[in-house]
Amino acid sequence: EAQVTQNPRYLITVTGKKLTVTCSQNMNHEYMSWYRQDPGLGLRQIYYSMNVEVTDKGDVPEGYKVSRKEKRNFPLILESPSPNQTSLYFCASLPGRGDYLTEAFFGQGTRLTVV
Amino acid sequence: DAKTTQPPSMDCAEGRAANLPCNHSTISGNEYVYWYRQIHSQGPQYIIHGLKNNETNEMASLIITEDRKSSTLILPHATLRDTAVYYCIAMGGGSYIPTFGRGTSLIVHP
Repeated sequence: EAQVTQNPRYLITVTGKKLTVTCSQNMNHEYMSWYRQDPGLGLRQIYYSMNVEVTDKGDVPEGYKVSRKEKRNFPLILESPSPNQTSLYFCASLPGRGDYLTEAFFGQGTRLTVV
Repeated sequence: DAKTTQPPSMDCAEGRAANLPCNHSTISGNEYVYWYRQIHSQGPQYIIHGLKNNETNEMASLIITEDRKSSTLILPHATLRDTAVYYCIAMGGGSYIPTFGRGTSLIVHP
């Protein structure tokens, strides 16, 4: 089954404690992206990747890092989480430049609380 | 990507057609119109996309005006499970990863 898997689904952590949210897709997609969603602000793009070892900032990259060492995985790293990073996070993947006329697939979401 | 404008909220009676408008007056010739929806805190779900012709699939119909400056997503027989936030996105011409606006919150009532 084609899917995008995020882990963990729920996480409560303390300010400053480094954490990683994993994202994995099994569709051999080139493109992957991270979004955060906050009440009243909609979905905002954090980082995206158009290929292995190629990443670019989205609209709200501050406080986040990503890596794309292999095609299937695109982890989101919070080196020193702060309460303003409490949010619902989504990972997405889609085929790539030659197949852009198709849909993006989204993970189930990770609800992060930083206290 | 061209900017899109959608009403913040709409409602519709169950069983009736839901018509969700989207304005994209600055859309360029190689940008497609995509629609996604998000059901309460789930990941967004693709619905349909089109360039200039009207499109229909098992979920919805997409009507794009001749000048391509606006479009309408039609859910022909809305059900309570169609209650969601609907996002209209203009994308293409070198940009392939969707960016989302605030969307339209559709409430389908009995």
